[in-house]
Amino acid sequence: DIQMTQSPASLSASVGDSVTITCRASQNINAYLNWYQQRPGKAPKLLIYDASSLQGGVPSRFSGSGSGTDFTLIINSLQPEDFATYYCQETFSTLFTFGPGTKVDIK
Amino acid sequence: EVQLVESGGGLVQPGGSLRVSCAASGFAFSNYWMHWVRQAPGKGLVWVSRIKSDGSTIDYADFVKGRFTISRDNAKNILYLEMTSLRVEDTALYYCARLGASTRGLIDWGQGALVSVSS
Repeated sequence: DIQMTQSPASLSASVGDSVTITCRASQNINAYLNWYQQRPGKAPKLLIYDASSLQGGVPSRFSGSGSGTDFTLIINSLQPEDFATYYCQETFSTLFTFGPGTKVDIK
Repeated sequence: EVQLVESGGGLVQPGGSLRVSCAASGFAFSNYWMHWVRQAPGKGLVWVSRIKSDGSTIDYADFVKGRFTISRDNAKNILYLEMTSLRVEDTALYYCARLGASTRGLIDWGQGALVSVSS
């Protein structure tokens, strides 16, 4: 089975900062990688699919990159509504495994 | 407007059974893969199961294989998750989610159904 890891587990940032979250797969998953945002008490929201494609309606300050085993989510000019937990998810296998999440909170 | 509304959650004893449902509206339900994802209190997202649009392909996470059954009624636009032999560690919020037609992302989610397994 494919294992997904994320780093860091948490980070503190200020409004206006840029943040980078990384996700690593235990084997090559090509570009079959999604990113989700989950605010407290809410359902997850798809941000990025296929590693770098922005889901409709998602602000352009979110971007994704990577292929193979290493992936990155960048949030530019962090906004108050961006303080949330972010999850990566592989869709290469039939098991659609999620990463453990990265919590972004206010410094 | 796409809506996914879960129901059927509740408190059940270890070893018991429960069925959660997900009523879909606002899209052509029979054309889409549907998934279940769970989240234990204070924990991360965990993928549980998926079913193809016509029900012909089904996959499960190893930890629910043989205990949970996913199914769908395309005439009623309802997705189901039948859970048996429930364990304390199955306690979680169970989300249903729709897989995008042109993406491999879960583009719509319900609000979740809380399943609590405790004696």
